[in-house]
Amino acid sequence: AQSVTQLDSHVSVSEGTPVLLRCNYSSSYSPSLFWYVQHPNKGLQLLLKYTSAATLVKGINGFEAEFKKSETSFHLTKPSAHMSDAAEYFCVVRTPYAGNMLTFGGGTRLMVKP
Amino acid sequence: ETGVTQSPTHLIKTRGQQVTLRCSSQSGHNTVSWYQQALGQGPQFIFQYYREEENGRGNFPPRFSGLQFPNYSSELNVNALELDDSALYLCASKPREKADTQYFGPGTRLTVL
Repeated sequence: AQSVTQLDSHVSVSEGTPVLLRCNYSSSYSPSLFWYVQHPNKGLQLLLKYTSAATLVKGINGFEAEFKKSETSFHLTKPSAHMSDAAEYFCVVRTPYAGNMLTFGGGTRLMVKP
Repeated sequence: ETGVTQSPTHLIKTRGQQVTLRCSSQSGHNTVSWYQQALGQGPQFIFQYYREEENGRGNFPPRFSGLQFPNYSSELNVNALELDDSALYLCASKPREKADTQYFGPGTRLTVL
């Protein structure tokens, strides 16, 4: 079975400081992993995806994530937080059966202080 | 914008009633999935349709059903509503050539009283 665990339900940073959102995964297969962001009253937006190519994945808005198989982790980082980054972030694993369904973590709410 | 729209935006029903939620995808997106997102939780996969046939289902009872139409629209139907069905319902579509890229709609907020 596939699962993801987001280690922090809330993260608070000051504007201009680094962001780290942690995610561990469990997968019986070589995983496809994603990070999505959800702003209030807006649809989920794909930030980046890992599909067995380069282990360091760059996404939109300056975010990147590193796939570490030995640690079963896929942490999301950004060097400098912006006020507009405040949102809910989801780590996601794709299951290559049952219609390639996505399994979401519980989410991490990122708060950015001025 | 993702090009995926959902209607209605908000809906209030009472326990035991039936509800139909609608989703409109981009042209060429022949796969649509539905997710339930309870308050404070991540979305959970309900089911997926490909070319008007269900080809994957999560851990949801049969009273959750769906339809997909040739014009890239789809429906989620829920019978015998329960209080726990209160949630944000999201649909997501993807083109066949981009298996890893799903486009999510803004969701329908369902409240069951």
